Amino acid sequence: DAKTTQPTSMDCAEGRAANLPCNHSTISGNEYVYWYRQIHSQGPQYIIHGLKNNETNEMASLIITEDRKSSTLILPHATLRDTAVYYCIVRGRSNTGNQFYFGTGTSLTVIP
Amino acid sequence: DTAVSQTPKYLVTQMGNDKSIKCEQNLGHDTMYWYKQDSKKFLKIMFSYNNKELIINETVPNRFSPKSPDKAHLNLHINSLELGDSAVYFCASSQDIPGGHQPQHFGDGTRLSIL
Repeated sequence: DAKTTQPTSMDCAEGRAANLPCNHSTISGNEYVYWYRQIHSQGPQYIIHGLKNNETNEMASLIITEDRKSSTLILPHATLRDTAVYYCIVRGRSNTGNQFYFGTGTSLTVIP
Repeated sequence: DTAVSQTPKYLVTQMGNDKSIKCEQNLGHDTMYWYKQDSKKFLKIMFSYNNKELIINETVPNRFSPKSPDKAHLNLHINSLELGDSAVYFCASSQDIPGGHQPQHFGDGTRLSIL
Protein backbone atom coordinates (compact mmCIF):
# COMPACT_ATOMS: atom_id res chain seq x y z
CA ASP A 1 0.00 0.00 0.00
CA ALA A 2 2.96 2.34 0.60
CA LYS A 3 3.29 4.96 -2.10
CA THR A 4 6.17 6.77 -0.44
CA THR A 5 9.69 5.86 0.67
CA GLN A 6 11.47 7.61 3.51
CA PRO A 7 14.68 6.96 5.43
CA THR A 8 14.04 5.15 8.67
CA SER A 9 15.87 7.61 10.89
CA MET A 10 17.83 10.87 10.85
CA ASP A 11 19.66 13.05 13.33
CA CYS A 12 19.90 16.81 13.27
CA ALA A 13 21.77 19.26 15.49
CA GLU A 14 19.62 21.71 17.40
CA GLY A 15 19.38 25.03 15.60
CA ARG A 16 20.32 23.58 12.22
CA ALA A 17 17.99 22.90 9.33
CA ALA A 18 16.48 19.43 9.17
CA ASN A 19 15.94 18.17 5.62
CA LEU A 20 13.70 15.13 5.41
CA PRO A 21 13.48 13.45 1.99
CA CYS A 22 10.62 11.46 0.55
CA ASN A 23 10.32 9.51 -2.70
CA HIS A 24 6.91 9.17 -4.35
CA SER A 25 7.79 8.07 -7.86
CA THR A 26 4.32 6.71 -8.65
CA ILE A 27 2.45 9.87 -7.69
CA SER A 28 -0.39 10.72 -10.05
CA GLY A 29 -1.42 14.12 -11.33
CA ASN A 30 -4.20 14.82 -8.85
CA GLU A 31 -2.38 13.61 -5.76
CA TYR A 32 -1.05 15.97 -3.14
CA VAL A 33 1.97 15.43 -0.90
CA TYR A 34 1.24 15.84 2.80
CA TRP A 35 3.59 15.85 5.74
CA TYR A 36 2.49 14.95 9.24
CA ARG A 37 4.47 14.21 12.36
CA GLN A 38 3.66 12.19 15.41
CA ILE A 39 5.13 12.43 18.85
CA HIS A 40 4.69 9.36 21.01
CA SER A 41 1.15 8.95 22.36
CA GLN A 42 -0.14 11.97 20.45
CA GLY A 43 -2.16 12.14 17.28
CA PRO A 44 -0.71 12.95 13.86
CA GLN A 45 0.05 16.68 13.59
CA TYR A 46 -0.39 18.31 10.20
CA ILE A 47 2.70 20.19 8.99
CA ILE A 48 2.30 21.17 5.34
CA HIS A 49 1.04 19.98 1.98
CA GLY A 50 1.47 20.80 -1.69
CA LEU A 51 0.67 19.75 -5.23
CA LYS A 52 3.57 20.92 -7.37
CA ASN A 53 4.70 24.33 -6.18
CA ASN A 54 7.01 24.77 -3.22
CA GLU A 55 5.15 25.72 -0.08
CA THR A 56 6.11 27.47 3.15
CA ASN A 57 4.26 28.05 6.38
CA GLU A 58 5.18 28.92 9.93
CA MET A 59 6.33 25.38 10.66
CA ALA A 60 8.24 24.26 7.60
CA SER A 61 8.94 24.44 3.89
CA LEU A 62 8.06 21.81 1.30
CA ILE A 63 10.18 21.48 -1.79
CA ILE A 64 8.69 19.32 -4.55
CA THR A 65 10.83 18.37 -7.53
CA GLU A 66 9.68 19.40 -10.98
CA ASP A 67 8.79 15.82 -11.94
CA ARG A 68 6.97 15.50 -8.58
CA LYS A 69 8.63 12.16 -7.91
CA SER A 70 10.23 13.32 -4.68
CA SER A 71 9.98 16.05 -2.08
CA THR A 72 11.86 17.41 0.91
CA LEU A 73 10.44 18.75 4.13
CA ILE A 74 12.64 21.44 5.65
CA LEU A 75 12.47 22.46 9.29
CA PRO A 76 14.59 25.62 9.14
CA HIS A 77 15.81 25.73 12.74
CA ALA A 78 15.24 22.41 14.45
CA THR A 79 14.51 22.40 18.17
CA LEU A 80 14.38 19.55 20.64
CA ARG A 81 10.59 19.66 20.40
CA ASP A 82 10.84 18.69 16.73
CA THR A 83 12.00 15.20 17.71
CA ALA A 84 9.22 13.01 16.30
CA VAL A 85 8.34 10.56 13.54
CA TYR A 86 7.66 12.38 10.27
CA TYR A 87 5.32 10.90 7.69
CA CYS A 88 5.16 11.75 4.02
CA ILE A 89 1.77 10.84 2.58
CA VAL A 90 0.37 11.01 -0.93
CA ARG A 91 -3.39 11.43 -1.25
CA GLY A 92 -5.71 12.41 -4.05
CA ARG A 93 -9.23 13.55 -4.67
CA SER A 94 -10.83 10.15 -4.71
CA ASN A 95 -12.23 7.53 -2.44
CA THR A 96 -8.70 6.47 -1.67
CA GLY A 97 -8.20 9.97 -0.37
CA ASN A 98 -10.30 8.90 2.57
CA GLN A 99 -7.57 6.68 3.91
CA PHE A 100 -4.23 7.51 5.41
CA TYR A 101 -1.27 5.17 5.09
CA PHE A 102 1.31 6.44 7.50
CA GLY A 103 3.85 3.72 6.90
CA THR A 104 6.97 3.75 9.02
CA GLY A 105 8.01 7.38 8.47
CA THR A 106 11.34 8.95 9.43
CA SER A 107 12.27 9.11 13.07
CA LEU A 108 13.98 12.47 13.50
CA THR A 109 16.13 13.02 16.58
CA VAL A 110 17.23 16.57 17.29
CA ILE A 111 20.47 16.52 19.23
CA PRO A 112 21.37 19.28 21.72
CA ASP B 1 -6.17 25.60 22.69
CA THR B 2 -6.53 21.96 21.64
CA ALA B 3 -7.95 21.93 18.12
CA VAL B 4 -9.39 18.41 18.04
CA SER B 5 -9.93 16.81 21.41
CA GLN B 6 -11.20 13.34 22.07
CA THR B 7 -12.01 11.62 25.34
CA PRO B 8 -11.14 9.36 26.93
CA LYS B 9 -7.52 8.85 25.93
CA TYR B 10 -7.50 5.31 27.30
CA LEU B 11 -10.48 2.98 27.55
CA VAL B 12 -10.16 -0.50 29.03
CA THR B 13 -13.35 -2.51 29.23
CA GLN B 14 -14.74 -6.02 29.00
CA MET B 15 -16.28 -7.82 26.07
CA GLY B 16 -19.97 -7.19 25.65
CA ASN B 17 -19.97 -3.74 27.22
CA ASP B 18 -21.24 -0.56 25.52
CA LYS B 19 -18.94 2.46 25.43
CA SER B 20 -18.74 5.92 23.87
CA ILE B 21 -15.86 8.08 22.67
CA LYS B 22 -16.39 11.81 22.36
CA CYS B 23 -14.77 14.23 19.92
CA GLU B 24 -14.90 18.00 19.68
CA GLN B 25 -13.18 20.41 17.32
CA ASN B 26 -12.82 24.17 17.78
CA LEU B 27 -11.44 24.87 14.30
CA GLY B 28 -14.76 25.80 12.78
CA HIS B 29 -14.45 22.93 10.30
CA ASP B 30 -17.46 21.55 8.49
CA THR B 31 -16.34 17.92 8.25
CA MET B 32 -15.42 15.44 10.94
CA TYR B 33 -14.17 11.87 10.71
CA TRP B 34 -13.56 8.74 12.71
CA TYR B 35 -10.61 6.53 11.80
CA LYS B 36 -9.48 3.17 13.13
CA GLN B 37 -5.76 2.53 13.27
CA ASP B 38 -4.59 -1.03 12.96
CA SER B 39 -1.18 -2.31 13.95
CA LYS B 40 0.29 -1.49 10.55
CA LYS B 41 -0.08 2.25 11.05
CA PHE B 42 -2.85 2.34 8.50
CA LEU B 43 -5.69 4.68 9.35
CA LYS B 44 -8.89 3.52 7.74
CA ILE B 45 -11.91 5.76 7.65
CA MET B 46 -15.03 4.60 9.42
CA PHE B 47 -17.41 7.54 9.21
CA SER B 48 -17.51 11.13 8.05
CA TYR B 49 -20.02 13.86 8.77
CA ASN B 50 -20.37 17.16 6.97
CA ASN B 51 -22.46 19.78 8.78
CA LYS B 52 -24.04 17.08 10.97
CA GLU B 53 -24.96 14.97 7.94
CA LEU B 54 -23.51 11.48 7.47
CA ILE B 55 -21.67 11.36 4.15
CA ILE B 56 -19.33 8.41 4.50
CA ASN B 57 -20.18 5.13 6.15
CA GLU B 58 -17.61 2.50 5.33
CA THR B 59 -18.12 -1.19 5.94
CA VAL B 60 -18.30 -0.99 9.69
CA PRO B 61 -20.36 -3.30 11.93
CA ASN B 62 -23.61 -1.68 12.91
CA ARG B 63 -22.50 -1.99 16.52
CA PHE B 64 -20.67 1.25 15.77
CA SER B 65 -22.96 4.27 15.66
CA PRO B 66 -21.74 7.83 15.20
CA LYS B 67 -23.71 10.80 16.44
CA SER B 68 -23.19 14.44 15.55
CA PRO B 69 -25.23 16.79 17.74
CA ASP B 70 -23.64 19.78 15.99
CA LYS B 71 -20.87 20.29 13.48
CA ALA B 72 -18.28 20.73 16.21
CA HIS B 73 -18.95 17.34 17.78
CA LEU B 74 -18.82 13.78 16.49
CA ASN B 75 -19.20 11.03 19.04
CA LEU B 76 -18.75 7.31 18.50
CA HIS B 77 -20.86 4.79 20.37
CA ILE B 78 -19.96 1.12 20.31
CA ASN B 79 -22.34 -1.62 21.43
CA SER B 80 -21.46 -5.15 22.50
CA LEU B 81 -17.72 -4.65 22.33
CA GLU B 82 -15.65 -7.50 20.86
CA LEU B 83 -11.98 -8.41 21.18
CA GLY B 84 -11.35 -7.31 17.59
CA ASP B 85 -12.46 -3.79 18.45
CA SER B 86 -9.21 -3.22 20.32
CA ALA B 87 -7.39 -0.47 18.43
CA VAL B 88 -6.58 3.21 18.47
CA TYR B 89 -9.45 5.36 17.23
CA PHE B 90 -8.71 8.80 15.84
CA CYS B 91 -11.09 11.66 15.36
CA ALA B 92 -10.24 14.28 12.73
CA SER B 93 -11.70 17.35 11.10
CA SER B 94 -11.16 19.28 7.90
CA GLN B 95 -12.45 22.39 6.22
CA ASP B 96 -13.70 20.72 3.07
CA ILE B 97 -15.48 17.54 2.09
CA PRO B 98 -13.85 14.10 2.18
CA GLY B 99 -11.62 13.57 -0.79
CA GLY B 100 -10.79 17.27 -0.93
CA HIS B 101 -7.23 18.38 -0.58
CA GLN B 102 -7.55 20.41 2.60
CA PRO B 103 -5.60 18.70 5.39
CA GLN B 104 -7.25 16.79 8.15
CA HIS B 105 -6.41 17.64 11.73
CA PHE B 106 -6.33 14.75 14.19
CA GLY B 107 -7.06 14.28 17.85
CA ASP B 108 -4.64 12.40 20.09
CA GLY B 109 -6.48 9.12 19.73
CA THR B 110 -8.40 6.84 22.07
CA ARG B 111 -6.68 3.57 22.91
CA LEU B 112 -9.43 1.00 23.33
CA SER B 113 -8.52 -2.31 24.95
CA ILE B 114 -11.05 -5.10 25.29
CA LEU B 115 -10.42 -7.68 27.99
